Amino acid sequence: GENVEQHPSTLSVQEGDSAVIKCTYSDSASNYFPWYKQELGKRPQLIIDIRSNVGEKKDQRIAVTLNKTAKHFSLHITETQPEDSAVYFCAALRTALIFGKGTTLSVSS
Amino acid sequence: DAGVIQSPRHEVTEMGQEVTLRCKPISGHNSLFWYRQTMMRGLELLIYFNNNVPIDDSGMPEDRFSAKMPNASFSTLKIQPSEPRDSAVYFCASSPTGSNQPQHFGDGTRLSIL
Repeated sequence: GENVEQHPSTLSVQEGDSAVIKCTYSDSASNYFPWYKQELGKRPQLIIDIRSNVGEKKDQRIAVTLNKTAKHFSLHITETQPEDSAVYFCAALRTALIFGKGTTLSVSS
Repeated sequence: DAGVIQSPRHEVTEMGQEVTLRCKPISGHNSLFWYRQTMMRGLELLIYFNNNVPIDDSGMPEDRFSAKMPNASFSTLKIQPSEPRDSAVYFCASSPTGSNQPQHFGDGTRLSIL
């Protein structure tokens, strides 16, 4: 079955810096890769996703890249703000979403 | 738009008791997913349904766990008998039919088994 590895588990940055979170997946048949943001005590919320026929997608300060050959994908957040502080999860879909273990991002002002 | 609705939001009960968690997916979504979230194991897929039919229940931890989807607008996850190690946040999510569709999560049920 699919296995998703996510790194780092924690990430601390200064406000205005960039943050990068990386994930690898094992099943080459996976074809959909969403990213979720989860604030403390709340539900995961979809922030961006990418499909296997696309290499990069951008939405304002957030971008995701996908390398299907290497089976890895990354989340890039530019100009980080304190409100970006949360746990971020990557996931890969073949028949169902399999999630990474999450990255706790802390943005200090 | 009403999102995925879960109830109850919080449940505290003693071990050995039966627990029933409920979920109403987004109208028109034909896929429904149950997840369990703990600090140690993260977000784990328990079971998912397509058009009310269970497709993959390999994530259900034990026979004490069961899930049903009697119609397109309602699903239950039942634990009987409950144990302290079942304490977790249980999320329900739904998505439109077909692959590559975003899943939308409910607010979760925080379950504590004493």
